[in-house]
Amino acid sequence: AQSVTQLDSHVSVSEGTPVLLRCNYSSSYSPSLFWYVQHPNKGLQLLLKYTSAATLVKGINGFEAEFKKSETSFHLTKPSAHMSDAAEYFCVPLGTGRRALTFGSGTRLQVQP
Amino acid sequence: EAQVTQNPRYLITVTGKKLTVTCSQNMNHEYMSWYRQDPGLGLRQIYYSMNVEVTDKGDVPEGYKVSRKEKRNFPLILESPSPNQTSLYFCASSPLLTSGGGDEQFFGPGTRLTVL
Repeated sequence: AQSVTQLDSHVSVSEGTPVLLRCNYSSSYSPSLFWYVQHPNKGLQLLLKYTSAATLVKGINGFEAEFKKSETSFHLTKPSAHMSDAAEYFCVPLGTGRRALTFGSGTRLQVQP
Repeated sequence: EAQVTQNPRYLITVTGKKLTVTCSQNMNHEYMSWYRQDPGLGLRQIYYSMNVEVTDKGDVPEGYKVSRKEKRNFPLILESPSPNQTSLYFCASSPLLTSGGGDEQFFGPGTRLTVL
């Protein structure tokens, strides 16, 4: 079964500095992985997805993630944080069969002015 | 505009009073799903549907019912709500490719339910 571990429950950065949100997956085969973002009191929005077509995936709002099989990681990065990036971020594997997205408790990103 | 809509967005009700949360998508997606989000527990799948008249249980189906009579609609029914069903509910939809996997799920805006 697929599962992920988001290594940090909370990350705080200063505006204009790089963002790194870490995600490690556990799977016996190449997974389908997503990063979703949830802004306060808002719904869930897809940032990017990995489906084995390319290991470096570019998403919306300047975010990207690199799938590293050797490290079983799919970390989310952004070169320069913006205040509007403050939100909760979820690294999510897509399950087979019933296609459930297994959301963990996420990483809360705080951006300081 | 392609979207998933949910109604109501906010609902406060009392124990035992039947309620329905509607979900509708305009993208002709085969797959639809309901999740609930609770602090510290992430999102958990309640029910899902692969197509019209095809529904199945997710991880936490107890106390919920669903139906899929039309492709675009997937209502969530709480026959006798209880306080432990107080939560934030999300409906999602996606296309169902035979090649499997990797399909983005589009989420509705959420319904915040409080059961007193």
